[in-house]
Amino acid sequence: GAGVSQTPSNKVTEKGKYVELRCDPISGHTALYWYRQSLGQGPEFLIYFQGTGAADDSGLPNDRFFAVRPEGSVSTLKIQRTERGDSAVYLCASSSRPLGEQFFGPGTRLTVL
Amino acid sequence: GQQLNQSPQSMFIQEGEDVSMNCTSSSIFNTWLWYKQDPGEGPVLLIALYKAGELTSNGRLTAQFGITRKDSFLNISASIPSDVGIYFCAGQGYGGSQGNLIFGKGTKLSVKP
Repeated sequence: GAGVSQTPSNKVTEKGKYVELRCDPISGHTALYWYRQSLGQGPEFLIYFQGTGAADDSGLPNDRFFAVRPEGSVSTLKIQRTERGDSAVYLCASSSRPLGEQFFGPGTRLTVL
Repeated sequence: GQQLNQSPQSMFIQEGEDVSMNCTSSSIFNTWLWYKQDPGEGPVLLIALYKAGELTSNGRLTAQFGITRKDSFLNISASIPSDVGIYFCAGQGYGGSQGNLIFGKGTKLSVKP
């Protein structure tokens, strides 16, 4: 079956703009995670959804970052008033159960000029 | 954010050689996972370990979950050019976490034919 997909694959924006990044998890996976990966680093956790609700958003760096998953499938990560330091690859992962194996999408490379 | 201590940072080896890398943490984890990431792609799961002391193989890859639950290693036998990439360890299920992964900084593997 299809894996995790993310769109767009690349996003270039200007400082101060608003961006939305989309994640389509593996069909039937109830758990969905967002991570951020800076150059030369491992992915860092941002937020976790179980179903429609954000079960853990402790990794969001500040209130400019927000994510939703209204129907328990597709998720959107939203970043307001983007800053140059937000430039990174944003990865989405899904799992069939909490604490289960996580499968990653290809990521969205965000560049803030 | 919190990251695991992964070593070595990079390796340059000859095709056919065996490779060993490891990961340590000050925290106890319930699950250790090893991922491989190619340029422009998301991490791909190689091996998942669920019990302290567990030794698991996947083809030429072998990984172990340390007895103390604070460390893990990955071995690759008889390396081939397609083994090139960045290998990440990840710990899951620590403290009160909801399943998000904590990653190491990665081991970059280069293989000379």
